[in-house]
Formats: sequence, structure tokens, C-alpha cells
Amino acid sequence: EAGVVQSPRYKIIEKKQPVAFWCNPISGHNTLYWYLQNLGQGPELLIRYENEEAVDDSQLPKDRFSAERLKGVDSTLKIQPAELGDSAVYLCASSLVSGGVADTQYFGPGTRLTVL
Amino acid sequence: AQSVTQLGSHVSVSEGALVLLRCNYSSSVPPYLFWYVQYPNQGLQLLLKYTSAATLVKGINGFEAEFKKSETSFHLTKPSAHMSDAAEYFCAVRGSGGYQKVTFGTGTKLQVIP
Repeated sequence: EAGVVQSPRYKIIEKKQPVAFWCNPISGHNTLYWYLQNLGQGPELLIRYENEEAVDDSQLPKDRFSAERLKGVDSTLKIQPAELGDSAVYLCASSLVSGGVADTQYFGPGTRLTVL
Repeated sequence: AQSVTQLGSHVSVSEGALVLLRCNYSSSVPPYLFWYVQYPNQGLQLLLKYTSAATLVKGINGFEAEFKKSETSFHLTKPSAHMSDAAEYFCAVRGSGGYQKVTFGTGTKLQVIP
């Protein structure tokens, strides 16, 4: 069974440019997470989706970040415009939530963003 | 709110020696606890998890961890280190009721010396 797929794996852009990351979760997983991982730090949650609904986006900087999960499967995370401080790894994870209990989160390989 | 503290951002052990990575947690509710491993340029892979069943949890690759409520600890151990164990290890915590956000520690980078 395929794991969580993310693309691109690496992205280099200049500041003020837009950028988008794509994630395809494990088949059948209804919950999808986007995390930000700065160098030398653990992942920090940006947004969590249950099916199509963003149920926790309290940590998403909404002035420049947006996300969508159309049809409750794939998801896209966008930054516009990018700033130097956005350089980090963006991780996507998915899990199966049943009866309000979340199973283990499975992570994709991440997208490493460099903003010049 | 929940949090974890990983003691030691870098740990070095000789090949064949005991691996001990420390994690202390803080939680206002009974916690679920996790250890993840991250190899360079890869995502996080679950090593093991504690969900209030047995306090000694066995994971993949020969790792295990013991939940000690009195010490609020969940240290990760492996009897004999292999070169392939060199990676970064993250401890994580979430509450056990309904949906609770997973909070990760800052990670411990394990170096295995031949």
C-alpha cells in the first residue's frame, strides 16, 4: 500500500513569490494534517482536516497561508507571498479517525522549501 | 495542554552499546505517547506508541520504551546500537480523550560511532 505522497520534494523560490505543496494521503484516511518543521525542531501543526472540513487551523498564518482539501482526499497548501522565514520542511500526515479517536499519524517525506 | 521535553539534542553511542533517549511529558489528562524516527530527507516513521495498555511498549527495529507515571517519563531504549539507527528521534504526546493535538518534542539526533 502506498504511503503519504508529497510533491515537490524540494522547492527553491525567491521571496514574495507564491508556492504550493501537494499531498495525497493514504487511501481511506479521513484526516489530513499539514505540519511545519523548522531546522532542529519537531513538527508543528498548521492545519487539520477531517474529510473536507478544516477543523483546526488555529496555527495557520492566514494572511499568507491557505489550504484546501477538495473532495476530502488530496490537499494543497499555498503560501503567497513567501517570506525568508518560511524556509522549512512542510510535512503532510494522514490518519483514520473513528468514533472521535485518532489512530496513528503516518507522515509523508515532506517538501523542503528554500526562500531566497 | 500537553508538552514533552527531550533531554539532549545530540546523543552519541558506540556501535553495540545501549541506546537511551530521554523524554519527559507534561499532560493534564492521561496521555498517549509516541516515539518517531526521522532519517535524513524523510518523513517521520512511528517506532512505538503507548495508549494506556502495557507500560512497557515494544516497537520496531528492537526499540522499546517504558511509561513511568511517577516520573512522567517515556524513555526510549535499545540494547545494542546499529549503524543504521543513526537518525533523529522525536517524542510526542497527545491527550487520550477524543481528538487531541499531537505535540512533538524538539528531537534528539543519535550518532552511532563504529
